[in-house]
Amino acid sequence: NAGVMQNPRHLVRRRGQEARLRCSPMKGHSHVYWYRQLPEEGLKFMVYLQKENIIDESGMPKERFSAEFPKEGPSILRIQQVVRGDSAAYFCASSLEGEKMKWYNSPLHFGNGTRLTVT
Amino acid sequence: AQSVTQLDSHVSVSEGTPVLLRCNYSSSYSPSLFWYVQHPNKGLQLLLKYTSAATLVKGINGFEAEFKKSETSFHLTKPSAHMSDAAEYFCVVILGSGNTGKLIFGQGTTLQVKP
Repeated sequence: NAGVMQNPRHLVRRRGQEARLRCSPMKGHSHVYWYRQLPEEGLKFMVYLQKENIIDESGMPKERFSAEFPKEGPSILRIQQVVRGDSAAYFCASSLEGEKMKWYNSPLHFGNGTRLTVT
Repeated sequence: AQSVTQLDSHVSVSEGTPVLLRCNYSSSYSPSLFWYVQHPNKGLQLLLKYTSAATLVKGINGFEAEFKKSETSFHLTKPSAHMSDAAEYFCVVILGSGNTGKLIFGQGTTLQVKP
C-alpha cells in the first residue's frame, strides 16, 4: 500500500534550466496539493489540483511555475528558468476527499518531498 | 485571516522528561488544528487533529494536545520524551470556508532530545 510517491528525491539544476517534479498520489486519491518549504520555514501552500483541474493556485508564483494533474499519470510541478531562490523542498500531499468538511476524516498524506538545489 | 504561531523555534529536553511545544492560533471562526511531525529528510506525518469534537486530543506516539479557546492555544505535550521524538513539529490550521482545504503551517519547532 504505497503512500504518496515523489520523484526525484533530490534534483540539482543550473540557473535557467527547467525543473520537473513528479507526484503520484495514494491509490484512490484524486486530490493533490503542492507545498514548498524554504530553509528554516514551515510549508507554504502552492496549488491544489483535482484530476485535469486546477482548483486553487493562489500560492503559486505568477511566473515560471505551473502545475498539472492529468487524467492519467502523476501530478507535475514545473519550474521554468530556475533561479537560486527556487531552492527548497517541495512536498506533495494527497487526500481522498477535497471538501473541507469531509477530509477531516481523511487528512492529507504527504510524500517525502523533492529537494531542489539550484546552482 | 487565520494563522498559527509556534512560540519556540527550538526546544531541548532530556529523555524521559515531559515535552511541551507551544502553539497559538488566530482564527475568525472555529478552527481546525493539527500537529504534524517531520523527521529529517522525510515527509510529514499527522500526529493529531482537533475538529471540535473534544478539546483534549490524543494522537500517535503518546502525544496529546489541548484546545483552549480562551487562550487561543493548542499546545502539544508528551509525558516522557523518547530519543525517537527528535524531529521538527508543525502546528497547522486549516484555511478557508470554501472547499480547498489549504493548510497554514506554523514556523516549526525543532525538538532535541538529550540522552
